[in-house]
Amino acid sequence: DAMVIQNPRYQVTQFGKPVTLSCSQTLNHNVMYWYQQKSSQAPKLLFHYYDKDFNNEADTPDNFQSRRPNTSFCFLDIRSPGLGDAAMYLCATSRLVGASGAYEQYFGPGTRLTVT
Amino acid sequence: KNEVEQSPQNLTAQEGEFITINCSYSVGISALHWLQQHPGGGIVSLFMLSSGKKKHGRLIATINIQEKHSSLHITASHPRDSAVYICAVSILTGTASKLTFGTGTRLQVTL
Repeated sequence: DAMVIQNPRYQVTQFGKPVTLSCSQTLNHNVMYWYQQKSSQAPKLLFHYYDKDFNNEADTPDNFQSRRPNTSFCFLDIRSPGLGDAAMYLCATSRLVGASGAYEQYFGPGTRLTVT
Repeated sequence: KNEVEQSPQNLTAQEGEFITINCSYSVGISALHWLQQHPGGGIVSLFMLSSGKKKHGRLIATINIQEKHSSLHITASHPRDSAVYICAVSILTGTASKLTFGTGTRLQVTL
């Protein structure tokens, strides 16, 4: 089935040790998003790609970087994870739906990051 | 005041009950989404609405654009429906749509 896949599902890293989270999609969608969701909070958009065009949210810390080498893959790099970066990281993709220009977003299962 | 408000925040129901979750928003949107998240899990998109009503199985979603209000209904609720239900609105920004999320409604369905 076409889907959004995130690896790994669970990641443990040490304080300050760089970590990379992976997202892949078989939907051939132009847009890919990375969200951070902390416990009992709503997801927070970190950045998105439209094709190779990178769009950073104004309040996303510099510690968070992203790469999209091709349509199918997108990576989230956390350069120096702090304890406050422990969260669920969600990848989503979207395509154009309907004349209104509304985009339906398809979410991956998420990667739960623990920082020790 | 949040741009997207949901009510109730928590809801407990017995199996078989009809459930309604409400969502109000205060901004112009291109679409409204209802999402489901099980504890510790990822997010599943249930519906995307820009007008009217949609039905999928036991789930029904409605939206009133003029009143900026949407409802998610679950008929014949079941314990497997226990999850957090999130209302989110799409706002188009150039080449993508950004989602603004409500705070979620935690639903517990008991036997």
